[in-house]
Amino acid sequence: NAGVTQTPKFQVLKTGQSMTLQCAQDMNHNSMYWYRQDPGMGLRLIYYSASEGTTDKGEVPNGYNVSRLNKREFSLRLESAAPSQTSVYFCASSRVRGLGTDTQYFGPGTRLTVL
Amino acid sequence: KNEVEQSPQNLTAQEGEFITINCSYSVGISALHWLQQHPGGGIVSLFMLSSGKKKHGRLIATINIQEKHSSLHITASHPRDSAVYICAVRGGNLIFGKGTKLSVKP
Repeated sequence: NAGVTQTPKFQVLKTGQSMTLQCAQDMNHNSMYWYRQDPGMGLRLIYYSASEGTTDKGEVPNGYNVSRLNKREFSLRLESAAPSQTSVYFCASSRVRGLGTDTQYFGPGTRLTVL
Repeated sequence: KNEVEQSPQNLTAQEGEFITINCSYSVGISALHWLQQHPGGGIVSLFMLSSGKKKHGRLIATINIQEKHSSLHITASHPRDSAVYICAVRGGNLIFGKGTKLSVKP
């Protein structure tokens, strides 16, 4: 099992460009999450999907959109990237439906720089 | 005031020492998580607890719901325990502390 995979690992964008971060899990988990991690700020929840077909905002959703494509895949889209979105992005999944109700398994992260 | 406060921010220990990392929170919660972030950046969940105490190997996590406080203990610390330890609480949202950076010297 690969667990939680994220693509790409690194990305550099110019201000105003768009991109989609991909996340997939092969553990048949119900819930999936997107976080960003900034120096001195800790992890912050952007969006989550408690089950296939549902998505909800987390602490810092502005500037992002998500799609729960199917049970395996949860993508994060930046429509018009800004330098403030420079961060490391982590995807995670958990077996039980619901926010923070079960052990989470994290992907390796995507390091995004917006110039 | 941050909803989740961890202490200390940084901790240096000698191999073999008993280590305690603290997490205090200000909101009502249904669950608390402890995570470990390795120097390379990977994140691993250690514990999820809503009451009492859990133990896994040399790691012990406790929570006191009335006092809104949790501790993570590491017994017989080893250099491979060097990492950032992160507390997260599940209230209305999922809120993370800023982490405690632990360095264990041989």
